[in-house]
Amino acid sequence: QQQVKQSPQSLIVQKGGIPIINCAYENTAFDYFPWYQQFPGKGPALLIAIRPDVSEKKEGRFTISFNKSAKQFSLHIMDSQPGDSATYFCAASMRSGSARQLTFGSGTQLTVLP
Amino acid sequence: GAGVSQTPSNKVTEKGKYVELRCDPISGHTALYWYRQSLGQGPEFLIYFQGTGAADDSGLPNDRFFAVRPEGSVSTLKIQRTERGDSAVYLCASSLMGGQVEQFFGPGTRLTVL
Repeated sequence: QQQVKQSPQSLIVQKGGIPIINCAYENTAFDYFPWYQQFPGKGPALLIAIRPDVSEKKEGRFTISFNKSAKQFSLHIMDSQPGDSATYFCAASMRSGSARQLTFGSGTQLTVLP
Repeated sequence: GAGVSQTPSNKVTEKGKYVELRCDPISGHTALYWYRQSLGQGPEFLIYFQGTGAADDSGLPNDRFFAVRPEGSVSTLKIQRTERGDSAVYLCASSLMGGQVEQFFGPGTRLTVL
């Protein structure tokens, strides 16, 4: 019930391509869905996030598409650049008492070729 | 400081030894989280502090793991009788308040148990 499934495990695209990373969840109590970007040796950094009452959110070159009925959401990176090469994690969050635990997917290693 | 800091950045220890990992959250952030990230996986929740108290320690794997936050700012994660399976990156995150969705992560401490 707490799991978030992420695919693909790795992804290679050419510069300018549009990588798409997909995630699925089971627990309908989740109410916040962030995406994190992680470079080697660094902690995860929040990239973009969405709540389940909207179907799409864009911030710069990054777009989240959200399908509440299917319990799926995805990250699209427009005009990808070599500097976007990193590991991307989807996550889901719900309130539990005073806390907000994040449940992460297993990550997607993205490589953008120059 | 500007962000979450963690020390040491790397820790190598021998099986059976005791280790302490430190987290200094963003100034003013009352909520503090510890996560563990195994190689090739997403971070997994360990424990959450609201102020000085551990409000949720449901993610701690066993009683060898313990964390404190005596003054409501810096936190220390303590691992007794370390095992090789404890090898991972230990991440700390903070947020302004417990219920706030956005968590800011530190760079992590890479623990290696030989």
